[in-house]
Amino acid sequence: KAGVTQTPRYLIKTRGQQVTLSCSPISGHRSVSWYQQTPGQGLQFLFEYFSETQRNKGNFPGRFSGRQFSNSRSEMNVSTLELGDSALYLCASSLGEGAGEKLFFGSGTQLSVL
Amino acid sequence: DQQVKQNSPSLSVQEGRISILNCDYTNSMFDYFLWYKKYPAEGPTFLISISSIKDKNEDGRFTVFLNKSAKHLSLHIVPSQPGDSAVYFCAAPSSYNTDKLIFGTGTRLQVFP
Repeated sequence: KAGVTQTPRYLIKTRGQQVTLSCSPISGHRSVSWYQQTPGQGLQFLFEYFSETQRNKGNFPGRFSGRQFSNSRSEMNVSTLELGDSALYLCASSLGEGAGEKLFFGSGTQLSVL
Repeated sequence: DQQVKQNSPSLSVQEGRISILNCDYTNSMFDYFLWYKKYPAEGPTFLISISSIKDKNEDGRFTVFLNKSAKHLSLHIVPSQPGDSAVYFCAAPSSYNTDKLIFGTGTRLQVFP
């Protein structure tokens, strides 16, 4: 069974640009969530999608957005990039059956904003 | 507002000895906890979990202890192996029916020969 796939693996952008990251969940998983990892901050929750609907949202500005498609694949978009957006963006998938269920993470997209 | 805290950024342990990683939480509504392990350039992988109805859960070399009154949990690795060198995160679901996890900041474990 293929794992969670994130593309691209690395990305370099400049301030003010926008970026789209992609995530393909494990086959059969209906929930996709996104996390931002920065040094010293651990993993910060961005948002969660279940059956194409946003089920939960973290405390990030509106520049961060996402969506989920009917095949459960998900994208997140960051507009007007800032230097502080440099981070590892992780996508995780699950069956979406509730709290405590294991999340399966992809390897992440390392975004560098110059 | 850090609801899940890992106060030790790093830990160094000799191979064969016990590694103890600690985690504190502030929200008494948390009733389930998970530990994830992360190697460089990879996503976190699930390691072990514990429900608040238990005070201990064991899986091979890994044991998690939960002290609800102290709002504290710990992960014990016995015996520690060099392959255990990674960053360990504890996490708790923010509420029922969600995949939103509240993560600690992580502890980097180094196991040396």
